[in-house]
Amino acid sequence: NAGVMQNPRHLVRRRGQEARLRCSPMKGHSHVYWYRQLPEEGLKFMVYLQKENIIDESGMPKERFSAEFPKEGPSILRIQQVVRGDSAAYFCASSLGQPDQPQHFGDGTRLSIL
Amino acid sequence: AQTVTQSQPEMSVQEAETVTLSCTYDTSESDYYLFWYKQPPSRQMILVIRQEAYKQQNATENRFSVNFQKAAKSFSLKISDSQLGDAAMYFCAPGGTSYGKLTFGQGTILTVHP
Repeated sequence: NAGVMQNPRHLVRRRGQEARLRCSPMKGHSHVYWYRQLPEEGLKFMVYLQKENIIDESGMPKERFSAEFPKEGPSILRIQQVVRGDSAAYFCASSLGQPDQPQHFGDGTRLSIL
Repeated sequence: AQTVTQSQPEMSVQEAETVTLSCTYDTSESDYYLFWYKQPPSRQMILVIRQEAYKQQNATENRFSVNFQKAAKSFSLKISDSQLGDAAMYFCAPGGTSYGKLTFGQGTILTVHP
């Protein structure tokens, strides 16, 4: 399966712990986007990365959230000291980078904070 | 910056009938792309159809077609011969030309009655 792979599918953390969400883009794609979906809402853009570069992080909360896309390996969205309000579905998408090319989405990671 | 309005939180249709989902948007970009995604209960994000804003011809993809009115900034989705598998949340998403960052609407829940 050459689609976008996200893991884990479900992640449970207690308040104050760290959450790490992983995303392997579709084969041949070097552009990754992270979106967050709160219950009953649409997806909200968080960050756009290319290999080893953060291009646009205008949707990322100023504190506790970070993202990376190293030269080797998956993209990682990291949430430190999680709080209840971080509970959401986090989707990763990848593309070829051209705006006319659709983004292909992973199945998402559902993060639950106890 | 882009904003998206989907004014129909919920819609329903009888199997084999036609339904239209509305979407209006605002954008400061002179050229852009528009997408409709569906999210079934499995929560996957699936591309339904896309439209290039510079093209006057409305996009069509099998039973799915759009009515794109650029001046009115309207981008509605028509589903013909509705099937039970069409039941999902539908999101309208314009994308900018710089690198394809998507802005999602609040979504419309479509119910298909047998």
